[in-house]
Amino acid sequence: QQQVKQSPQSLIVQKGGISIINCAYENTAFDYFPWYQQFPGKGPALLIAIRPDVSEKKEGRFTISFNKSAKQFSLHIMDSQPGDSATYFCAARKGSNYQLIWGAGTKLIIKP
Amino acid sequence: DSGVTQTPKHLITATGQRVTLRCSPRSGDLSVYWYQQSLDQGLQFLIQYYNGEERAKGNILERFSAQQFPDLHSELNLSSLELGDSALYFCASSPQGVKNTGELFFGEGSRLTVL
Repeated sequence: QQQVKQSPQSLIVQKGGISIINCAYENTAFDYFPWYQQFPGKGPALLIAIRPDVSEKKEGRFTISFNKSAKQFSLHIMDSQPGDSATYFCAARKGSNYQLIWGAGTKLIIKP
Repeated sequence: DSGVTQTPKHLITATGQRVTLRCSPRSGDLSVYWYQQSLDQGLQFLIQYYNGEERAKGNILERFSAQQFPDLHSELNLSSLELGDSALYFCASSPQGVKNTGELFFGEGSRLTVL
């Protein structure tokens, strides 16, 4: 019940296309869902986050879609660029006193 | 630049040895987290400290230990090293109280290679 399942493990998208990464969870007590972006040789950095009281959050080309009834959330990258090539991690947490539960990561490659 | 500093960036050592990784959190952040990331793997939470006290423990081996000092920097000690301990070790910090947005700020990691 503590797991966050992330898919796909890897993804190749053409430049200008839409990249979609999905995550699913079981614990309905989770109240914070961030996405982190990690470039090779660097630490992860927060990309965008959502709380379950909204169904969508958009920041530039990055959008989180949140489906509370299905217990799923996804990251959409519009007009994907080679600079978006990185590993993306979803995560979930059930309160500020608890640890983030991480997905396994998705390696995204954007082909020029 | 996240403001979290980790040293050393790279470390090569032999099996059976002991190493210490150091982390300086962002100014004012009281919480420090340690994570292990093996090659092309996900992030494994090891341990969290808050203001000098252990707050939470994850999948940390008994051969590993950590502490947070009064100046809030933290050290991760890895002993009796095995080949499988080769990994990137990340430190992250976060603020507390009303400043806590949930975001973790990661350092650039210490890459440990055990030969």
